[in-house]
Amino acid sequence: KAGVTQTPRYLIKTRGQQVTLSCSPISGHRSVSWYQQTPGQGLQFLFEYFSETQRNKGNFPGRFSGRQFSNSRSEMNVSTLELGDSALYLCASSLAGSSGQETQYFGPGTRLLVL
Amino acid sequence: GESVGLHLPTLSVQEGDNSIINCAYSNSASDYFIWYKQESGKGPQFIIDIRSNMDKRQGQRVTVLLNKTVKHLSLQIAATQPGDSAVYFCAENMAGSARQLTFGSGTQLTVLP
Repeated sequence: KAGVTQTPRYLIKTRGQQVTLSCSPISGHRSVSWYQQTPGQGLQFLFEYFSETQRNKGNFPGRFSGRQFSNSRSEMNVSTLELGDSALYLCASSLAGSSGQETQYFGPGTRLLVL
Repeated sequence: GESVGLHLPTLSVQEGDNSIINCAYSNSASDYFIWYKQESGKGPQFIIDIRSNMDKRQGQRVTVLLNKTVKHLSLQIAATQPGDSAVYFCAENMAGSARQLTFGSGTQLTVLP
């Protein structure tokens, strides 16, 4: 079974631009979560989507948004990019059964550099 | 706010020795814990998990111990190999249906030849 895939793997943008990142979950997984990883802040939760609905959101400004499609694929968007948005953006998927006690599997991430 | 934290930022062990990586958590509402391994340039890779109704779980060469009394989690790696060199993160998930992991700061494990 294929793992979580993310595209693109690398991106370079300039301040003020916007960016869209894509995530395809493991087949059969219905929950997709996004995380930001930086050397200074570590791994931080952005948001989670299930059944095309945002179920939970972390402490990030409104410039960070996302969506999920009917096939469970997800995108996240960052508008008006700032230098501090440079990070590795990770997507994770899980089955999304009735219990929260289930493993999230991560993709390789998208490395975003904002100049 | 409450968060998961690791005691040691770096750990060096000789090849063949056992490794122990520790983690302290402060959220008593957490009921699910995961250890991830992250190699350079890659996403976190699942190692092992444990639910709050257990205190020990074993996998292949790895054991996770959970002490809810002192809110402590540890990962033991037996017969550490060069391929085990990576950053190890513990993560917790609060009870409920949301998939929102809180990660520790990570421990860099280096296996010496």
